[in-house]
Amino acid sequence: RKEVEQDPGPFNVPEGATVAFNCTYSNSASQSFFWYRQDCRKEPKLLMSVYSSGNEDGRFTAQLNRASQYISLLIRDSKLSDSATYLCVVNIGTGGYNKLIFGAGTRLAVHP
Amino acid sequence: EAGVAQSPRYKIIEKRQSVAFWCNPISGHATLYWYQQILGQGPKLLIQFQNNGVVDDSQLPKDRFSAERLKGVDSTLKIQPAKLEDSAVYLCASSLVASGGAYEQYFGPGTRLTVT
Repeated sequence: RKEVEQDPGPFNVPEGATVAFNCTYSNSASQSFFWYRQDCRKEPKLLMSVYSSGNEDGRFTAQLNRASQYISLLIRDSKLSDSATYLCVVNIGTGGYNKLIFGAGTRLAVHP
Repeated sequence: EAGVAQSPRYKIIEKRQSVAFWCNPISGHATLYWYQQILGQGPKLLIQFQNNGVVDDSQLPKDRFSAERLKGVDSTLKIQPAKLEDSAVYLCASSLVASGGAYEQYFGPGTRLTVT
């Protein structure tokens, strides 16, 4: 079983749609959680951290369910510029050091 | 603020040849990471440095890969000899020292290696 699993997609949605991505992780001792965005042939960039209480940043909402070891990302009112691969990331580091485990990513394509 | 710099951006070599990649992290970032990203997969950590000491190299294929971070700033990653399966993008990232909790890793543009 992979440490971080994501549906690879692609998710093809029209502009203005709402789309949700899910991710599961296997290490119950995971400390913190993130969503990174990676554009085609570019480096990953942090989109947002994910907190147990859920958090929102504009059109993006992230949720964490520790009991189910499940993370989600909701994008409302999709824009063409949201087209990218979204990487679910789990920090399994201990002892003050951080170790990020990346999922393979979910590809999103927003069309006019 | 200048980002993470990497060179070269692209490299094509034949199997069994050697190759080296260079990374210059963001100024003041004590932690430096090398990742390997194979097409269709997420980045996989190869080695993590804290200043010039190795924190984690558990996934580094030490029979052919080596890395160093002299003086706690720049770093080089070397592959010798290369295999076909080493074809990937090699990403360098850096971050401030964190005593735990959420922090951000900043990635460089990567070096795209093709082994033929």
